[in-house]
Amino acid sequence: AQRVTQPEKLLSVFKGAPVELKCNYSYSGSPELFWYVQYSRQRLQLLLRHISRESIKGFTADLNKGETSFHLKKPFAQEEDSAMYYCARRRDDKIIFGKGTRLHILP
Amino acid sequence: EAGVVQSPRYKIIEKKQPVAFWCNPISGHNTLYWYLQNLGQGPELLIRYENEEAVDDSQLPKDRFSAERLKGVDSTLKIQPAELGDSAVYLCASSKRSTGELFFGEGSRLTVL
Repeated sequence: AQRVTQPEKLLSVFKGAPVELKCNYSYSGSPELFWYVQYSRQRLQLLLRHISRESIKGFTADLNKGETSFHLKKPFAQEEDSAMYYCARRRDDKIIFGKGTRLHILP
Repeated sequence: EAGVVQSPRYKIIEKKQPVAFWCNPISGHNTLYWYLQNLGQGPELLIRYENEEAVDDSQLPKDRFSAERLKGVDSTLKIQPAELGDSAVYLCASSKRSTGELFFGEGSRLTVL
């Protein structure tokens, strides 16, 4: 079965410190992976996808097929980064989400 | 342009009552999804439509849940009868088939007493 695992339910990081949100996926063919974010009182929205290899709001994520990981990183956390982050995988238009990690930026 | 619109935003019912949620996707989006999100969990797919056809309903509990997408635009998700365990947020999302990017509504929060 396809699985997306986010091992941390909560991650607290001081403002200005580096952030890494972990995501692992079950291997099956060529994955298409995403990170979605939900800020307080806002709807769930796409943050970035691995195929575009872009940086959004300072976040990047690299697909590591050897480790079947797609960790989300940011070198310097900002208070506005506090949110719920969901890793997701797409296959045949079926999109499966991890359970999410709450990122809490400490002042 | 308006995003995905869902209603109602909140619904409180007693167990064994019926409830229905409505979703209007973004214009031009062929694919429509209904997800269930329990507290502290990620969204779990209930059903996916390509236009008016339900192409993946394997996770939909068909004994009490039903959905329809007449004319391939708006969609309705119904629960009858509701159980205590159905308390959750029901999310609707839409996408253009080619992109895979989901656009979510604000969700409908159901509380079953």
